[in-house]
Amino acid sequence: GENVEQHPSTLSVQEGDSAVIKCTYSDSASNYFPWYKQELGKGPQLIIDIRSNVGEKKDQRIAVTLNKTAKHFSLHITETQPEDSAVYFCAASGAGTALIFGKGTTLSVSS
Amino acid sequence: NAGVTQTPKFQVLKTGQSMTLQCAQDMNHNSMYWYRQDPGMGLRLIYYSASEGTTDKGEVPNGYNVSRLNKREFSLRLESAAPSQTSVYFCASSDRTQYEAFFGQGTRLTVV
Repeated sequence: GENVEQHPSTLSVQEGDSAVIKCTYSDSASNYFPWYKQELGKGPQLIIDIRSNVGEKKDQRIAVTLNKTAKHFSLHITETQPEDSAVYFCAASGAGTALIFGKGTTLSVSS
Repeated sequence: NAGVTQTPKFQVLKTGQSMTLQCAQDMNHNSMYWYRQDPGMGLRLIYYSASEGTTDKGEVPNGYNVSRLNKREFSLRLESAAPSQTSVYFCASSDRTQYEAFFGQGTRLTVV
């Protein structure tokens, strides 16, 4: 089955810096790669996703890149703000299969 | 719209007791999921239902059973709770397995 590795497990940045979180997946049949943000005491919420026919996608300060050959995808957050502090999860799924998540990255943005 | 509703929000069980976690969604989604979240382990898939009438095991199904009661409801049952099942349980739903999944607020379960 699918296995998703996520790094780093913790990330501390100064406000205004960029943050990058990286994930690798094992199943070449996976073709959907979302990123979720989880705030304390809440369920995860989707912030951006990418499909295998696209190499990059951007939404304001957030971007995701996908390298299908290397089975690698990354989340980029620019101009970080204190409200970006949360736990971020990457995930992967294929046709008919459920999302398999990485173990999460705790992002701390200090002002 | 309520989205995905989980009940209860908190529960304490004694070892060996049984209980059912309830989940309902009002988005007419086809697929529903149960995950557990433990510190440092991320979200691990217990069971999922890709469509009404089907269920499949996920990464950590042992000790759990599920029922897709209808399109709206997907329940998770612990037949004989163990301390290792202490966790936060999340239910989620999506239109299909490769589309955005919407999560409930979670059930915090403690087994003593």
